[in-house]
Amino acid sequence: DVKVTQSSRYLVKRTGEKVFLECVQDMDHENMFWYRQDPGLGLRLIYFSYDVKMKEKGDIPEGYSVSREKKERFSLILESASTNQTSMYLCASGRQGGSYEQYFGPGTRLTVT
Amino acid sequence: AQSVSQHNHHVILSEAASLELGCNYSYGGTVNLFWYVQYPGQHLQLLLKYFSGDPLVKGIKGFEAEFIKSKFSFNLRKPSVQWSDTAEYFCAVNRGWAAGNKLTFGGGTRVLVKP
Repeated sequence: DVKVTQSSRYLVKRTGEKVFLECVQDMDHENMFWYRQDPGLGLRLIYFSYDVKMKEKGDIPEGYSVSREKKERFSLILESASTNQTSMYLCASGRQGGSYEQYFGPGTRLTVT
Repeated sequence: AQSVSQHNHHVILSEAASLELGCNYSYGGTVNLFWYVQYPGQHLQLLLKYFSGDPLVKGIKGFEAEFIKSKFSFNLRKPSVQWSDTAEYFCAVNRGWAAGNKLTFGGGTRVLVKP
């Protein structure tokens, strides 16, 4: 089974702090994605990556950055957390082409106070 | 810009009732279509998907979806729901390599099945 893990299930941070969210997948997938999930808005793509050291902006990249130094690991960085970044963050991975199916991690619920 | 619309935000029904969740997308080219489900406290998982061929797709747990190209729709159905179908359901669209394997999600529909 594909396994996507995220470093924390719950996180509470203060406004202005730098926040790192880590995601690891064990299926050698080329593609990795970061979404945020908000009620009524579904999932919105923040950033994605096709390969190591490669990144592309999604629909809502402002206030975020990412890092992919190894194929299995994709990090989301909030440079200076703000209260409007309080959300559920989901990581996903998928194979290049093929079925285009994405496999999701359990999510990190981030609260910025 | 491509968008995906789910018509109902919340649905409440009783066990054994039939369920139909609507999904429409705005892109006119070739698409791949998905329904994902998120049970309470669990991660998002694939319910079913459509790539080509038979427009009626069967998924897990008795769910099915019908792709109607002329209506840009991919509605999800289940003839008789169970309490365990209580979850949030998301429709998603992918345009394949042209769109970088990205998925665009609808806003989700929360389904509550009363025992």
